[in-house]
Amino acid sequence: DQQVKQNSPSLSVQEGRISILNCDYTNSMFDYFLWYKKYPAEGPTFLISISSIKDKNEDGRFTVFLNKSAKHLSLHIVPSQPGDSAVYFCAASPGGYQKVTFGIGTKLQVIP
Amino acid sequence: EAQVTQNPRYLITVTGKKLTVTCSQNMNHEYMSWYRQDPGLGLRQIYYSMNVEVTDKGDVPEGYKVSRKEKRNFPLILESPSPNQTSLYFCASSTGLAGGSEQFFGPGTRLTVL
Repeated sequence: DQQVKQNSPSLSVQEGRISILNCDYTNSMFDYFLWYKKYPAEGPTFLISISSIKDKNEDGRFTVFLNKSAKHLSLHIVPSQPGDSAVYFCAASPGGYQKVTFGIGTKLQVIP
Repeated sequence: EAQVTQNPRYLITVTGKKLTVTCSQNMNHEYMSWYRQDPGLGLRQIYYSMNVEVTDKGDVPEGYKVSRKEKRNFPLILESPSPNQTSLYFCASSTGLAGGSEQFFGPGTRLTVL
């Protein structure tokens, strides 16, 4: 049972345009949502997070939107840059010292 | 430098030969965790630990053991490895506070079980 779903395995975007990565979840107990970026041969690195009390969080070119009623979140990257080419993982947790559930990832390619 | 280290980075072994993958963090984090990454399955949590001597199962704990005797170390033990445990393994740590705290990941250990 996949509680965190990233339905697009890959995405290609032109440099300078917007990249939108989507994530759906099924567990109503999730209160915290995080995005990680992963380059080949490296461990994932934290990108941005959002708690369930918010519907938007921004950090520079990265914005995460949360729609609790739809159990959906998205990561927007504007403008996209070639260095953003990586696998992006969505993750969710009930909070505190609890289990973290990751999606299967979306491979983003930003074309120069 | 704040980091999570894993050893070894690469390991090829044979079925049934016990092995340990070490993980250490220098950030005084309470929360540590092990994940495996497989094609088409993403990152799946194996075990996690909230503090010394406190551990709990993640989504795929079968065939693995962990221990947390010191705050900085969280080794992953495969008592009798099998080919289906061939995977890329990541250790991670975080403060664990508020649930939304970011995890810091190690560089990964690529394990092949023949």
